[in-house]
Amino acid sequence: DSGVTQTPKHLITATGQRVTLRCSPRSGDLSVYWYQQSLDQGLQFLIQYYNGEERAKGNILERFSAQQFPDLHSELNLSSLELGDSALYFCASSVATAAWDTQYFGPGTRLTVL
Amino acid sequence: DAKTTQPPSMDCAEGRAANLPCNHSTISGNEYVYWYRQIHSQGPQYIIHGLKNNETNEMASLIITEDRKSSTLILPHATLRDTAVYYCIVSGLRGGGSQGNLIFGKGTKLSVKP
Repeated sequence: DSGVTQTPKHLITATGQRVTLRCSPRSGDLSVYWYQQSLDQGLQFLIQYYNGEERAKGNILERFSAQQFPDLHSELNLSSLELGDSALYFCASSVATAAWDTQYFGPGTRLTVL
Repeated sequence: DAKTTQPPSMDCAEGRAANLPCNHSTISGNEYVYWYRQIHSQGPQYIIHGLKNNETNEMASLIITEDRKSSTLILPHATLRDTAVYYCIVSGLRGGGSQGNLIFGKGTKLSVKP
């Protein structure tokens, strides 16, 4: 158990819909990262927040957005869903943002878009 | 694009040491070598990381060559539960992009056989 929690575990929805994925970092961690893992793309970095502020962006679509709240939990919002958005979404957290700050991953949310 | 090269697959007999190689010939001085593994579709699990010196923890040992261009992850007594995809990642302000996000390659699929 990494200490990172994600809800829900599974999500099934239809194209065009909007969903919210939630992540609670490990106690004491200020940085949260979101990754997407699809069958054809592997694990890809989406976005990072540090203490409430966006710190880095990866291959995140404009239809996706995220935020980190004052209690440090984070939400990833996916809208106008397409079939290709079906994937595993992982959240990770680390103490800060240095290269030596280990990222610990949550169990993931499996999103299925029908 | 991943900055590391790993064999796509390896087999190991149960109880024997598993030695997983990784090439990172373009690593720079401030970049760390991280190893994660992913068992089936679970969240990536942190194993070990290092900068220059060899490292050991309860899970594994990390041997980094003197020129830092390659490393080997050693699982001393592999069990069936060690069957997973193992990712070698170079992480740093340059290697991981901004602020240390991780770039995952395809990893090595390790199969531990009885």
